[in-house]
Amino acid sequence: GAGVSQTPSNKVTEKGKYVELRCDPISGHTALYWYRQSLGQGPEFLIYFQGTGAADDSGLPNDRFFAVRPEGSVSTLKIQRTERGDSAVYLCASSLNSGSTEAFFGQGTRLTVV
Amino acid sequence: AQTVTQSQPEMSVQEAETVTLSCTYDTSESDYYLFWYKQPPSRQMILVIRQEAYKQQNATENRFSVNFQKAAKSFSLKISDSQLGDAAMYFCALLGGTSYGKLTFGQGTILTVHP
Repeated sequence: GAGVSQTPSNKVTEKGKYVELRCDPISGHTALYWYRQSLGQGPEFLIYFQGTGAADDSGLPNDRFFAVRPEGSVSTLKIQRTERGDSAVYLCASSLNSGSTEAFFGQGTRLTVV
Repeated sequence: AQTVTQSQPEMSVQEAETVTLSCTYDTSESDYYLFWYKQPPSRQMILVIRQEAYKQQNATENRFSVNFQKAAKSFSLKISDSQLGDAAMYFCALLGGTSYGKLTFGQGTILTVHP
C-alpha cells in the first residue's frame, strides 16, 4: 500500500475482553514498530520487529500484551484481559530496515476500554 | 537511557508570524538523530525536519528550521510565516545510533495559530 494502514481506526471494548489491533506496513519495509500514546503524552515504544522476529519487546508493559508478525509483513498487537488503563492510541510505524532513520507512521488505533 | 523534554505544553502564534518550540534531550550515544514530528487531529505522525548530530549545520525545510546546540543538548524548531495548517501537536524525538529505529519522544507542544 501507499502508506502504513492500521485497523480498526477506533475500538471500544469492555474491561476484561481481548482485542487485536492490526498494522499493515509499507510494502517492502522490513522493520515495524508499535508505540502507545496516552492522552496528552508522546508515543512510547512497545515492540520492534525486524522481519518476522521481535527484536526488542522491552516496551511491552506486562504479559497481557503480545505482538506477532508471522510473515514479516502484517503485524497484530494483542491485548488480553483489557484494563481501563490500556486506553490509548496505538501507533504503528515501519521503515525500510532497522538502519533507516525515517519511520513512516499509520494513523493509529484509538482503544477505549470501558 | 535516552530522554527528551519539551517544556512548553502549549504555544500560540499569529498567522504569518514566527514561533519557536523548545526541546532538550539527553543521550550517552555519540551518534544520534533528532526529529520534529507534527501530529494533526488525524493522529498520523508527519516528519517535519531531521538533524544528524554529526552535522554542525542546522537543518532547514522551507519555513521550518532548527537551532541545534549539541553541547547544550538543545534542539528547537522555528516556524516562520506561520500558517493555519501548522496548527497541531509537535513532538521532538531522538534516535540513538544503536537504537535500530526506536524513537524516544518528548511530551509534545500544542501549537495554535490565530488568524
